[in-house]
Amino acid sequence: GQQVQQSPASLVLQEGENAELQCNFSSTATQLQWFYQSPGGSLVSLLSNPSGTKHTGRLTSTTVTKERRSSLHISSSQTTDSGTYLCATNTGNYKYVFGAGTRLKVIA
Amino acid sequence: EAGVTQSPRYAVLQEGQAVSFWCDPISGHDTLYWYQQPRDQGPQLLVYFRDEAVIDNSQLPSDRFSAVRPKGTNSTLKIQSAKQGDTATYLCASSPQGAGDTQYFGPGTRLLVL
Repeated sequence: GQQVQQSPASLVLQEGENAELQCNFSSTATQLQWFYQSPGGSLVSLLSNPSGTKHTGRLTSTTVTKERRSSLHISSSQTTDSGTYLCATNTGNYKYVFGAGTRLKVIA
Repeated sequence: EAGVTQSPRYAVLQEGQAVSFWCDPISGHDTLYWYQQPRDQGPQLLVYFRDEAVIDNSQLPSDRFSAVRPKGTNSTLKIQSAKQGDTATYLCASSPQGAGDTQYFGPGTRLLVL
């Protein structure tokens, strides 16, 4: 079945630095989403990006479908960006497969 | 619009005890999902419903786990005889008709089995 690998597993940044998160998946995905999970546990969808490049606020996602990889760039990080970033894909049904996540800590 | 609500938020059990989790999806959403998220891992789908019908429960440990959604609205996930390996956060999500790519998550129930 589909497998999703995320890197790095954890990341510590100084406020204002940029972050680059990677997601690699084993099978062609028809849908790919990036989620943010707060330390309290709630998941919020950040971006849906099955292919190409998408921007929202300080976030930019680039997905190269042929190479089965996606990245999430966070510019000018803030302490409130701290949390876990999860990548999830599906292969044409409603069953998302999640990676283990990247734990980001931004310090002032 | 109210989001997905779950209760309880926390549960602590001894091995062998039973526990039930409740989920109230966003009003009008026909699809409901239950995920299990062990510590430091991503969520893993256990079961999902469209209205009251189970669409896929292939990842639900059927000997001890059960899930129902009798009226196509609220749902209950039950663990009959909990094991330490069941320690995890249990997340419920819902999505509107025809938009299963957009899932809205509840706050989760954190389960600790001692």
